[in-house]
Amino acid sequence: SQTIHQWPATLVQPVGSPLSLECTVEGTSNPNLYWYRQAAGRGLQLLFYSVGIGQISSEVPQNLSASRPQDRQFILSSKKLLLSDSGFYLCAWSVGSSGYTQYFGPGTRLTVL
Amino acid sequence: AQTVTQSQPEMSVQEAETVTLSCTYDTSESDYYLFWYKQPPSRQMILVIRQEAYKQQNATENRFSVNFQKAAKSFSLKISDSQLGDAAMYFCAYRRAQGGSEKLVFGKGTKLTVNP
Repeated sequence: SQTIHQWPATLVQPVGSPLSLECTVEGTSNPNLYWYRQAAGRGLQLLFYSVGIGQISSEVPQNLSASRPQDRQFILSSKKLLLSDSGFYLCAWSVGSSGYTQYFGPGTRLTVL
Repeated sequence: AQTVTQSQPEMSVQEAETVTLSCTYDTSESDYYLFWYKQPPSRQMILVIRQEAYKQQNATENRFSVNFQKAAKSFSLKISDSQLGDAAMYFCAYRRAQGGSEKLVFGKGTKLTVNP
């Protein structure tokens, strides 16, 4: 069965510091991968998605970036965090055999101070 | 652009009773998917149920069922025999059918409280 991991689970970072959040998927090949952000009291907003290694599409212009160095690894990064980057970050995966239904990881709670 | 609206910010239900959560959406597409996700206090998004727009039959998963009204663009979730573990935020979501990388568009959620 497929599983998805995210780390760290919780992160507190100062404004202006760099960021690296990691997401890995097990038990499937060539998944579509997604990064979403959930601000307090809101639904989820898609940040990036990837259909393959090195292929990244951005939905929202901002100071975040994403990379996919391996088939089942998706990384969210920033060179300098802003206060507005605080939130809950969720990674998701989908494959055609399940109708591209998206399944989510446990998430990372990021607080920028 | 597609939008999803959940008009009930909060709902409550007695344990063992039935509750219905509302969702409406706006789209010009004819082929799409609709989902209900549950977000418990752990905050992991868990898929509850999925509905394909081309299917007339309403989806069911154990105690969870939907009332899909395509013409009205309505997609409500019914939870029967509510349990304490059903307490969570519930999000309705929409996805176009074209392309596997299509994003999910979420509503703002409904907080469900289950009273013992």
